[in-house]
Amino acid sequence: QKEVEQNSGPLSVPEGAIASLNCTYSDRGSQSFFWYRQYSGKSPELIMSIYSNGDKEDGRFTAQLNKASQYVSLLIRDSQPSDSATYLCAVRRDTGRRALTFGSGTRLQVQP
Amino acid sequence: DGGITQSPKYLFRKEGQNVTLSCEQNLNHDAMYWYRQDPGQGLRLIYYSQIVNDFQKGDIAEGYSVSREKKESFPLTVTSAQKNPTAFYLCASSISENTDTQYFGPGTRLTVL
Repeated sequence: QKEVEQNSGPLSVPEGAIASLNCTYSDRGSQSFFWYRQYSGKSPELIMSIYSNGDKEDGRFTAQLNKASQYVSLLIRDSQPSDSATYLCAVRRDTGRRALTFGSGTRLQVQP
Repeated sequence: DGGITQSPKYLFRKEGQNVTLSCEQNLNHDAMYWYRQDPGQGLRLIYYSQIVNDFQKGDIAEGYSVSREKKESFPLTVTSAQKNPTAFYLCASSISENTDTQYFGPGTRLTVL
């Protein structure tokens, strides 16, 4: 079982719709969770971080965390074609090696 | 203009050659990281360094070596022992290993001919 799992996609949504990206993780010791956006051929850029159960909103983005279910998601409201990218989920343990562990990413396509 | 720079952007290597990828940061960050990304896959950790003159192996360190002689520099050498080195290499840094936000450089795309 991979430490961090994501559906590779592509996830295709029409412009203006809500895109829902999901991520599960295996290590219950994970305490910090991140969503990165990566355009083709570019390096990842941080979109959201979340540490507590519940929702965290930042503009059109909402991160949701459920530690009991070991599940973290990213919602993108009013999706735009410029949101088309690969979204990487990353987690960090609270003890031991604290470098990030990344999922393989979900490719999002927003159709105009 | 603060940030992380990686050079070269593209690198071609013949089989059997060692090559060194440069990573420099002027953010005064203590922690630095090297990741490898293969097509359609996430990032895998090669090496990381929490402070100068100290570094630890990540998940796929075999065939790679690093040094951290200066705070701002963390070069990665891809040796001939790395059997499949063609990939996109990303360097990142954070204020410390205990700090969440990692900032990424633009990456180096290595191709073995």
